[in-house]
Amino acid sequence: NAGVMQNPRHLVRRRGQEARLRCSPMKGHSHVYWYRQLPEEGLKFMVYLQKENIIDESGMPKERFSAEFPKEGPSILRIQQVVRGDSAAYFCASSLGEAAKNIQYFGAGTRLSVL
Amino acid sequence: SQQGEEDPQALSIQEGENATMNCSYKTSINNLQWYRQNSGRGLVHLILIRSNEREKHSGRLRVTLDTSKKSSSLLITASRAADTASYFCATGLYSGAGSYQLTFGKGTKLSVIP
Repeated sequence: NAGVMQNPRHLVRRRGQEARLRCSPMKGHSHVYWYRQLPEEGLKFMVYLQKENIIDESGMPKERFSAEFPKEGPSILRIQQVVRGDSAAYFCASSLGEAAKNIQYFGAGTRLSVL
Repeated sequence: SQQGEEDPQALSIQEGENATMNCSYKTSINNLQWYRQNSGRGLVHLILIRSNEREKHSGRLRVTLDTSKKSSSLLITASRAADTASYFCATGLYSGAGSYQLTFGKGTKLSVIP
């Protein structure tokens, strides 16, 4: 009964490269959320997706960041042309149904380091 | 600014003692949730309390919610070394974008000394 799976756990990129973070939700969950956590900070909401749809991307930076949750396969958070300020832990969560009525279950996160 | 603010930022107690953490928020909420995060790991959901509830229990956890003061507290009784972690409150509310978001505070770092 696997939980939310994120990979890779650690990702190192040089400035200007692309980072692709993957998240497989819990079995049966069709709602996915991405959060970013800076050191000593709480999680900041980025985006909420349902299969093939972006429900709320109000927390996503306007440039370089994108997210998708295709019909088949994991959700992907993509950061183009990474900068040092993108270094953070990125967490994915999933829920069985809509956000307002369901508990979110979190993955272990991907720690992105930009050199 | 942060919706949820935990207090204290750090707390150190002896095993067996009770730990109390507080959370204040600014706007109306639909519910408030507490999560635990062990160092370098993801968040684990502990308990959810709805805006029309005042108190909730789960094992050694007791959560209170005072919507008039916009505050919540998490009490861990008879603490154990394994309770050492960061604890976050998260307020759930509908966002301006029409969806529902969890907004997290900065957390309280709890250290339970054996």
